[in-house]
Amino acid sequence: AQSVTQLGSHVSVSEGALVLLRCNYSSSVPPYLFWYVQYPNQGLQLLLKYTSAATLVKGINGFEAEFKKSETSFHLTKPSAHMSDAAEYFCAVSDAGYALNFGKGTSLLVTP
Amino acid sequence: GAGVSQSPRYKVAKRGQDVALRCDPISGHVSLFWYQQALGQGPEFLTYFQNEAQLDKSGLPSDRFFAERPEGSVSTLKIQRTQQEDSAVYLCASSLDRAETQYFGPGTRLLVL
Repeated sequence: AQSVTQLGSHVSVSEGALVLLRCNYSSSVPPYLFWYVQYPNQGLQLLLKYTSAATLVKGINGFEAEFKKSETSFHLTKPSAHMSDAAEYFCAVSDAGYALNFGKGTSLLVTP
Repeated sequence: GAGVSQSPRYKVAKRGQDVALRCDPISGHVSLFWYQQALGQGPEFLTYFQNEAQLDKSGLPSDRFFAERPEGSVSTLKIQRTQQEDSAVYLCASSLDRAETQYFGPGTRLLVL
């Protein structure tokens, strides 16, 4: 079964610092990989997705992620954190874009 | 156009009561998914519809859970004889087709007392 592991349930960064949220996947077939963001009391919003095209994927709000097959990783990065980036982030995997299997999430805290 | 909407946003039920949660997908979206998100966890897949056909219900935790989408648009997730472990946020998502991006609603937060 396909699955993802998110390392670090809580990450804290200073405003303006680099954001790095880690995600490793387990899949027996080329995966579709996703990052979603969830703000309090809201649904999930897609940040970006990888579907076997370019390995570096650019998303909304300045986020990007790089697919590294050799490391089975799909880490999410942003060069400079904003206060508005504080939220819960979920990595997810699916086969052929079907049902999503989510990680447990990483809560991002941005301090002034 | 409007996004995915869900109602009610909050539901408190006494243990043993039946509840019905509604999902209005984006107009024209063929695929509809239900997920369950327990506190502090990621969402977990429950069931999937392609139009009115329920093609996968492997994630439904028990036979107390039932979902339908009779006209291929609005969907209802029904939970019979609710238990405390059913307390969670229930998320609905829709997509143009099964392999397309899923758009999520705000969820229904169910609390079973």
